[in-house]
Amino acid sequence: NAGVTQTPKFRILKIGQSMTLQCTQDMNHNYMYWYRQDPGMGLKLIYYSVGAGITDKGEVPNGYNVSRSTTEDFPLRLELAAPSQTSVYFCATETGTEKLFFGSGTQLSVL
Amino acid sequence: EDQVTQSPEALRLQEGESSSLNCSYTVSGLRGLFWYRQDPGKGPEFLFTLYSAGEEKEKERLKATLTKKESFLHITAPKPEDSATYLCAVQAKDMRFGAGTRLTVKP
Repeated sequence: NAGVTQTPKFRILKIGQSMTLQCTQDMNHNYMYWYRQDPGMGLKLIYYSVGAGITDKGEVPNGYNVSRSTTEDFPLRLELAAPSQTSVYFCATETGTEKLFFGSGTQLSVL
Repeated sequence: EDQVTQSPEALRLQEGESSSLNCSYTVSGLRGLFWYRQDPGKGPEFLFTLYSAGEEKEKERLKATLTKKESFLHITAPKPEDSATYLCAVQAKDMRFGAGTRLTVKP
């Protein structure tokens, strides 16, 4: 089992460009999350999903969008990238026990 | 507002030198406190969940304890491979993470 797979691992965007961060899991977990991690700050929740077809905003959703058409996939879309979105992004899954399983992250720079 | 504060920000130990990491929190209705280990370039990896004051969990050289206001991660006789960032998170209304303690263990 691969667990939680995130692609790409690194990406550089220009201001105003858009991109999709991919997240796929093979653990059949219903709950999926997107976090961002900035230096000196705790992980911040961007969006989450409790199952296919259901998504909801987290603490810092502005500038991002998500979709959840299948149990396995939970892509994060950045529209009109801004320097403030430079961060490391983590996708995570959970079985409902609140214990999170994280992917290895996507390091994004917006210049 | 719910808050999670970890201290120290960074800790350097000699191999075998035991110490503790602190996670203090102010939340309403704690449902659980979690410890994660994060290696450079990787996602956090689950270590422990604690649910009530007085609870303790152990794994190898690590022991986590919980009071009503804080949790400690005790590291006994650490080895260089214990070097990592240790994250604390609390689950109340939602999940809140601390900024982490970056631990370096020198041989």
